[in-house]
Amino acid sequence: ETGVTQSPTHLIKTRGQQVTLRCSSQSGHNTVSWYQQALGQGPQFIFQYYREEENGRGNFPPRFSGLQFPNYSSELNVNALELDDSALYLCASSWWGQGASEQYFGPGTRLTVT
Amino acid sequence: EDKVVQSPLSLVVHEGDTVTLNCSYEVTNFRSLLWYKQEKKAPTFLFMLTSSGIEKKSGRLSSILDKKELFSILNITATQTGDSAIYLCAVYSSNYKLTFGKGTLLTVNP
Repeated sequence: ETGVTQSPTHLIKTRGQQVTLRCSSQSGHNTVSWYQQALGQGPQFIFQYYREEENGRGNFPPRFSGLQFPNYSSELNVNALELDDSALYLCASSWWGQGASEQYFGPGTRLTVT
Repeated sequence: EDKVVQSPLSLVVHEGDTVTLNCSYEVTNFRSLLWYKQEKKAPTFLFMLTSSGIEKKSGRLSSILDKKELFSILNITATQTGDSAIYLCAVYSSNYKLTFGKGTLLTVNP
């Protein structure tokens, strides 16, 4: 059983640029959620994808968007980067069946915006 | 707005001590509460609690949920330096949204 993987590990971008982060879900999981974790804070829910559609969204602007592919992997895209977007971006996968299930996290992508 | 509050925010203990970490919540349509341990990057899953009063246990760690008083505790007995980490509490308020607290930074000194 393979765990959740994310790429890249680290990324440095300039304000105004666009970035794409990638996530491969754990085998057997069909749902992917994305979180932003600023230093000293808990992860903040960005959105969740199930069956290739956005299934719920936190308080993030539309410049944060995503995709889920038929193999359940996912991308997070952020346009017009701002300095405050600097954070650890975590992807978590889970099985959506009956009720909520535990989410398993990847190692994250550390994004620095200068 | 859903809210999860953890206390204390940080804690320093000596090896062998027992610690209790607290998590209180205010969410609409509560479904379950989860505890995670975060050492460097990826939070690792510890427990998921759905029913009140039923203790979940894994080695030296245990947790219990009180849905009437809206809180949960995570106990760690006979702490070891390897227990040093941030412990995160999170609540499912629906099938899709997991709301996290800020975490408790636990430092276990030898």
